[in-house]
Parts: sequence; C-alpha cells; structure tokens
Amino acid sequence: EAQVTQNPRYLITVTGKKLTVTCSQNMNHEYMSWYRQDPGLGLRQIYYSMNVEVTDKGDVPEGYKVSRKEKRNFPLILESPSPNQTSLYFCASGRRDSLHYGYTFGSGTRLTVV
Amino acid sequence: AQSVAQPEDQVNVAEGNPLTVKCTYSVSGNPYLFWYVQYPNRGLQFLLKYITGDNLVKGSYGFEAEFNKSQTSFHLKKPSALVSDSALYFCAVRFPNDYKLSFGAGTTVTVRA
Repeated sequence: EAQVTQNPRYLITVTGKKLTVTCSQNMNHEYMSWYRQDPGLGLRQIYYSMNVEVTDKGDVPEGYKVSRKEKRNFPLILESPSPNQTSLYFCASGRRDSLHYGYTFGSGTRLTVV
Repeated sequence: AQSVAQPEDQVNVAEGNPLTVKCTYSVSGNPYLFWYVQYPNRGLQFLLKYITGDNLVKGSYGFEAEFNKSQTSFHLKKPSALVSDSALYFCAVRFPNDYKLSFGAGTTVTVRA
C-alpha cells in the first residue's frame, strides 16, 4: 500500500531533550515536506526537500532540523525542544513532476513538550 | 506572496441540507487549488483540485468545488450533507513553479442528524 509513515504517533517529552520524528514513504517520491498544524493557523511548512541531500527552509524552520540521506526517509529533528513546539506534525510527499496532483500525507505526530 | 483565507472557523448544517465551505485566495497568476479533509485523529486526505479547464471540479465523497477567477474563490460544496462529513476542511494553493502548498486556517464542519 502506497503510504507515508510517521513515527511515533504520540510523544510527550521534556524541554531540551533531543528528539527525532521519523517519516518514510514507499512511493519513490522526490519531494518531501514537514508541516506543523496549530489551531487557527492551519498547516505551516517547516522544511522541505526536493531530492536526496537537497533541503530548504519553509515558513517556520526555527528550532528544527531535517536530513535527506535516502530518498524514502525525511526525519524531523528537534535538538532542544521547547513548549512552543507542542503541535501536531505532518509529513507529506509527492512526485516532483506531478505535484499538481497534490501530496500524500502521513497520519500525524502529536508532540507535547512540557 | 500567496495566501489562502477560510473566512469561517465553523460551519454547522443539518443532515440532508447543502454544505458550503468558503475559500478565497490572494495570489497572482494561475494557481493550483486544492481541498483536503481531516477526520479526527487522522491525516489529511485529498478531496479535489483545480488545475485548469472547467471551473466546476468534482472530487471524492460527492464533493465539488467551483473556481471563480474574478472573485478569487474556490468554495467547496456538497448538495446533501451527511453526518459522516463532519470534519476539518482545509483549502490550499500553490503556484505551478513553486512546490510549496500553502494552507488556509481550516473550517470545522459539523453536520447534525
């Protein structure tokens, strides 16, 4: 089944403790992206990647890192999480030559930083 | 800069009545427009898109949307709402030469039995 898989689904952590949220897609998509969803703000893009070893900042990159060492994986790294990063996170992927068909989204990761 | 507005935080309708979720955008050029739906504790699911051509596009679950260039709107519609349509709906826009999908703030739809 074609899908984007995020792990974990739920995570509670403490301020300052490094964490990684994994994202993997099995559709051979070039494009991958991370969004955070907050009430009243919709989804805001954190980082995106056009291909392996190619990443770029989205609208709200502060406090986040990403890497794209393999085509299928695009982990989101919070080096020193803070409470304002408590949010619902979504990973998405798409084919670079057909992004007008939209993206495929993962099921989300609900992160709470205390 | 491109932006998307969903002027209603919530829409409440009775089952069987028409459902409309509004979306306007402020971009120049010819954008691609999308609607996504999010059910509780689920990811976003693609509903429909407008790329070019006929202004009325049909999508999943009986939804349709009308692109109106003069009003820069892309309202989502369903002739007869179901209780199972209760969810969070997002409008999104992107340019052909930009890979970023920009989302509106979302509209919570509640369909009462």
